[in-house]
Amino acid sequence: GAGVSQTPSNKVTEKGKYVELRCDPISGHTALYWYRQSLGQGPEFLIYFQGTGAADDSGLPNDRFFAVRPEGSVSTLKIQRTERGDSAVYLCASSATGTSGKETQYFGPGTRLLVL
Amino acid sequence: DAKTTQPPSMDCAEGRAANLPCNHSTISGNEYVYWYRQIHSQGPQYIIHGLKNNETNEMASLIITEDRKSSTLILPHATLRDTAVYYCIVREGSQGNLIFGKGTKLSVKP
Repeated sequence: GAGVSQTPSNKVTEKGKYVELRCDPISGHTALYWYRQSLGQGPEFLIYFQGTGAADDSGLPNDRFFAVRPEGSVSTLKIQRTERGDSAVYLCASSATGTSGKETQYFGPGTRLLVL
Repeated sequence: DAKTTQPPSMDCAEGRAANLPCNHSTISGNEYVYWYRQIHSQGPQYIIHGLKNNETNEMASLIITEDRKSSTLILPHATLRDTAVYYCIVREGSQGNLIFGKGTKLSVKP
């Protein structure tokens, strides 16, 4: 079946603008995760959804970052007043239930965000 | 912070076995050892995971020491397409997110 998809694949914006990044998880997966990866670093956790609700948003760096998952499927990561330091690859992953440590997380290809 | 330590880089000849070490000396009893890899410009890809016993699948083998303080990922016959950054991750059973370190950059050479 289809894997995790993310759109757009690349996004260039100007400092101060608002951006939305979309994630389509694997069908039926209730758990969805957002990560951010800077050049030369491993992915860094941002937020985890269980169904429609954010189960853990401890990784969001500040209140400019917000994510939603209104129907428990597609999720949108929203960044307000973008800064050059927000430039990174934003990765989305999903897993079946998110309630077992044995579960595999499946990652999308990422959205490359560049803030000029 | 990541609870694992990995060498920053390794080389391997094509067709030979690649053995990637990972130290996780503070691992607790309910934590799993996961391995992911990330090929350039792609999202991380799951390879294998284990708790106590050694594991094998179509991609790799995972050897966990008896005291669980270290493990080795084995790619039995490395190909050029196995060139990637390999991440060893320790994850608690009920924990949601994965905590990545910097991983090991494996270069498979002809």
